[in-house]
Amino acid sequence: QAQLVQSGAEVKRPGASVKVSCRASGYPFTSFGFNWVRQAPGQGLEWMGWISTYNGNTNYAQKFQDRVTLTTDTSTTTAYMDLRSLRSDDTAVYYCAREHVLSDGFDIWGQGTMVTVSS
Amino acid sequence: AIRMTQSPSSLSSSTGDRVTITCRASQGISTYLAWYQQKPGKAPNLLIYGASTLRSGAPSRFSGSGSGTDFTLTINYLQSEDFATYFCQQYFNHPRTFGQGTKVVIK
Repeated sequence: QAQLVQSGAEVKRPGASVKVSCRASGYPFTSFGFNWVRQAPGQGLEWMGWISTYNGNTNYAQKFQDRVTLTTDTSTTTAYMDLRSLRSDDTAVYYCAREHVLSDGFDIWGQGTMVTVSS
Repeated sequence: AIRMTQSPSSLSSSTGDRVTITCRASQGISTYLAWYQQKPGKAPNLLIYGASTLRSGAPSRFSGSGSGTDFTLTINYLQSEDFATYFCQQYFNHPRTFGQGTKVVIK
């Protein structure tokens, strides 16, 4: 069955970068784009950006525009989220979620990756 | 960006109750609206898309309605496993945006 498996928890210092991976399996990779959503402790869901697996087009939330890069690797059916210049308020669980090209919500989510930013 | 406003932010109910959660968009989004359920420590789970289409495998006690700017999620005959946080989300355009969430707790 379709599933997304994310990389493990990370602990980073302020100013560092983190790269989270999301490996897809069980479905045609290029039929779905990837969204990245984060959730700070006890808070709601915050959309960070989207990438097309078909042509690599991206769309980022303005808040993250200059700090985040989304990529995909079709050969390994993996999506990546790279967040730079980390701050303590970037401490959150980061999720990848797939979205069909015709868009009907985010139907499959990764299990989440906890990123802790602390000095 | 389209702002999504949910109400209430939390509610307490008993098993067997009917629960209604509302979501308002700051501009018209047709029916490009999804509802998610999230339990502690877990990823969100898609329940409804297209404002009213129940995802395959989701319990039929969940239903959604609305179009344009005003939407509703209804849970009929609340079950113990339904105590969770619910989020609405618009996918009319980018940036995708979520409501702030509604936590359903046991009375």
